[in-house]
Amino acid sequence: EPEVTQTPSHQVTQMGQEVILRCVPISNHLYFYWYRQILGQKVEFLVSFYNNEISEKSEIFDDQFSVERPDGSNFTLKIRSTKLEDSAMYFCASRADLITGELFFGEGSRLTVL
Amino acid sequence: DQQVKQNSPSLSVQEGRISILNCDYTNSMFDYFLWYKKYPAEGPTFLISISSIKDKNEDGRFTVFLNKSAKHLSLHIVPSQPGDSAVYFCAAIHSGTYKYIFGTGTRLKVLA
Repeated sequence: EPEVTQTPSHQVTQMGQEVILRCVPISNHLYFYWYRQILGQKVEFLVSFYNNEISEKSEIFDDQFSVERPDGSNFTLKIRSTKLEDSAMYFCASRADLITGELFFGEGSRLTVL
Repeated sequence: DQQVKQNSPSLSVQEGRISILNCDYTNSMFDYFLWYKKYPAEGPTFLISISSIKDKNEDGRFTVFLNKSAKHLSLHIVPSQPGDSAVYFCAAIHSGTYKYIFGTGTRLKVLA
């Protein structure tokens, strides 16, 4: 069964360092997302991406964050200068189209900022 | 701005009995609703969804009920199994838009 894959599964970084989280969405899907979950809290929307541009972003997704689809398969989330409060599980997700409602998630990348 | 709420943070049920997880929403523009199951350190797994044109959708042991007038949906799991123990999130979206809004989750524990 097709699945969303994410790397790395866990990354530890020092505050102020840049981090790139990588995702390979399901191959025929057109809409890509990043969500995050701080420990014990809700799953929060960060950004959605379609047709090589951001379609919607949350107030969390400030100038420290960026997304890119550098080739036909990868979808990346970059955090330019990490802060302690960026420590969370980051989930990539993809969706086939705007008619099909299901959003499929990857296993997540745990980011720990020290 | 909690547009999707799950007011019960946890629920314990005996194996074989029915589990009922509840979710309320405030945005009347939402027209598609989903339930996800999440184990620790894993991504949410899609379980079942329902469109606002329906009031019930069933898939095996899982049934989702939607009450639009009350802005309420529920997930029924019957019979409950120990492997169902996880955190369950409801989510909602206005079709044609991009952003899924998730509830805060309910931790279900099925006791053997």
